[in-house]
Amino acid sequence: DGGITQSPKYLFRKEGQNVTLSCEQNLNHDAMYWYRQDPGQGLRLIYYSQIVNDFQKGDIAEGYSVSREKKESFPLTVTSAQKNPTAFYLCASSIDSGSRYEQYFGPGTRLTVT
Amino acid sequence: ILNVEQSPQSLHVQEGDSTNFTCSFPSSNFYALHWYRWETAKSPEALFVMTLNGDEKKKGRISATLNTKEGYSYLYIKGSQPEDSATYLCASGSGATNKLIFGTGTLLAVQP
Repeated sequence: DGGITQSPKYLFRKEGQNVTLSCEQNLNHDAMYWYRQDPGQGLRLIYYSQIVNDFQKGDIAEGYSVSREKKESFPLTVTSAQKNPTAFYLCASSIDSGSRYEQYFGPGTRLTVT
Repeated sequence: ILNVEQSPQSLHVQEGDSTNFTCSFPSSNFYALHWYRWETAKSPEALFVMTLNGDEKKKGRISATLNTKEGYSYLYIKGSQPEDSATYLCASGSGATNKLIFGTGTLLAVQP
């Protein structure tokens, strides 16, 4: 089955620890995205990648880092510099870059930092 | 309008009712308008991507219209069914980037 997988579904960490969220796609899509959802807010873009070995900051990149070493993988690291890391994180991909292409979403990871 | 706004925030209807939601978006430098359906415990799923003023798209009982000059889109559901219960998200893309701005969604609950 083609799609996007995110793991784990739930993640718990202590404050001050970095944590990496996994995102893998087998759709052969060039573009990949990371979003964050908080209660009462729309999805907000953290980082996006248009092609392997390239990525750009989204609207709320501070405290996050990403890599895109392989086409199918786009891991997100939530660093200790992120002031409010507890949130629901969604990964997505699209066949190409450009806002005219629909995005395919993973099931999400809920991160809780205490 | 600087953000994408959706109304109503939530909607409760009876099975068989027809309903519609609104999405307002910045009309300047418009590129694309997306609608997604997000069912509980599932991933958001694309319904429509519209790019041209006057676009109308349909998928089964669900249809959408687009007015890029005034910056709004309507999503219609005809004869709502319980399986239509979900949050409906709209997102606007401006310029040639792949950055979408999402609204907060409309939560639809269809009572059998």
